Amino acid sequence: QSVLTQPPSVSAAPGQKVTISCSGDSSNIGRNYVSWYQHVPGTAPRLLIYDNDERASGIPDRFSGSKSGTSATLGITGLQTADEATYYCGTWDTILNDGAFGGGTTLTVL
Amino acid sequence: QVLLQESGPGLVKPSQTLSLTCLVSGDSIRRRGYYWSWLRQHPGTGLEWIGYIDYRGSPYYSPSLKSRLLISQDRSSNQFSLRLSSVTAADTAVYYCARTSVEVAKIRFDPWGQGTLITVSS
Repeated sequence: QSVLTQPPSVSAAPGQKVTISCSGDSSNIGRNYVSWYQHVPGTAPRLLIYDNDERASGIPDRFSGSKSGTSATLGITGLQTADEATYYCGTWDTILNDGAFGGGTTLTVL
Repeated sequence: QVLLQESGPGLVKPSQTLSLTCLVSGDSIRRRGYYWSWLRQHPGTGLEWIGYIDYRGSPYYSPSLKSRLLISQDRSSNQFSLRLSSVTAADTAVYYCARTSVEVAKIRFDPWGQGTLITVSS
């Protein structure tokens, strides 16, 4: 059971926009910054977004992040088939004194 | 370019100790300000942070694994290692190592290794 809650899957057509939600509580997202990772099976997970809304080096501006209260959102515009992957949110949980991740959201570009 | 590469046995018997190594190239594990983490992903589930070791060699462990865990570093070979004792089938997972940035209220993992699958079975 993951500490953070993400929808299991989302889908959209090429060129469209999708958002992926990440819900936590006051001990994790509510008081710490959020990062987002892209994972294609068999490859190394890749940092997309850190500090809630900062794009990592080399990440196109089609990817964006935001946070409000105890929830965070990853946005992807201009969807490409190459964006098909599983996306994870992550942060620190101050009460648990532990890393906290979501269960992952699999994106399908139809 | 910073690269991390995990290596491990692939298969471990129940009750034995799992040992993994992460070789770092393109950066020094002694570089001030960075930490070096182990994470894992159980089949079909999300990511789990296991623990990290900082540039001075001080480890910090996930409370859920602390009693079975040892993370250490070998500065001469620029590697860091994980030892997890008394493994069970619940420790079957893909294990990743990652460079980690830690500040107040902030933690991020970048880059990651490709991961190594560890199966616990007799």
